[in-house]
Amino acid sequence: AQSVTQLDSQVPVFEEAPVELRCNYSSSVSVYLFWYVQYPNQGLQLLLKYLSGSTLVESINGFEAEFNKSQTSFHLRKPSVHISDTAEYFCAVKRSSGSARQLTFGSGTQLTVLP
Amino acid sequence: NAGVMQNPRHLVRRRGQEARLRCSPMKGHSHVYWYRQLPEEGLKFMVYLQKENIIDESGMPKERFSAEFPKEGPSILRIQQVVRGDSAAYFCASSPLTSNYEQFFGPGTRLTVL
Repeated sequence: AQSVTQLDSQVPVFEEAPVELRCNYSSSVSVYLFWYVQYPNQGLQLLLKYLSGSTLVESINGFEAEFNKSQTSFHLRKPSVHISDTAEYFCAVKRSSGSARQLTFGSGTQLTVLP
Repeated sequence: NAGVMQNPRHLVRRRGQEARLRCSPMKGHSHVYWYRQLPEEGLKFMVYLQKENIIDESGMPKERFSAEFPKEGPSILRIQQVVRGDSAAYFCASSPLTSNYEQFFGPGTRLTVL
């Protein structure tokens, strides 16, 4: 079984400041890793994913995440946040092999960008 | 290409009533997943279906909950005799046959049990 821990439930940050949202996972098998973003009253949107290859992955809106296998982490970072980045962010994992297709999610981090 | 559609977006039921939640996957997607999000929590997997088959229901409560994905029409998540603890947001996701990882989420149905 897999589990995901997001240590920070709330992260307030001022506009244009850097931010890091932490994600640690536990799994006995290899996994794919994801970050999803949820805006109020909307569904989840995939922000970025790590499947294989380069451990640093980037999104089109300036977020990046780095897969660290030794620390079993997949922290999300952005060097300069905007008001529009205010949302809930979920880290998730999925087994990379086998027939199981479900995602296992962390409890989420509410990012609030302050003017 | 329309995304994953869910209806209703909001559903209010009294204790003991039945709730039916519908999900239409993206065009061409043959796999549907249901997740439940309780307040202040992340999404929890409930069930994974292909057309006319339940593939994995390991996350479904043993009683009162059922799901189907018929050959024609949307996937249905049915909750019988709802209780206050069923109040949550229920999200549906779909994926194509060829993808082992990508899931596209609908906007969710927010169920409130009075």
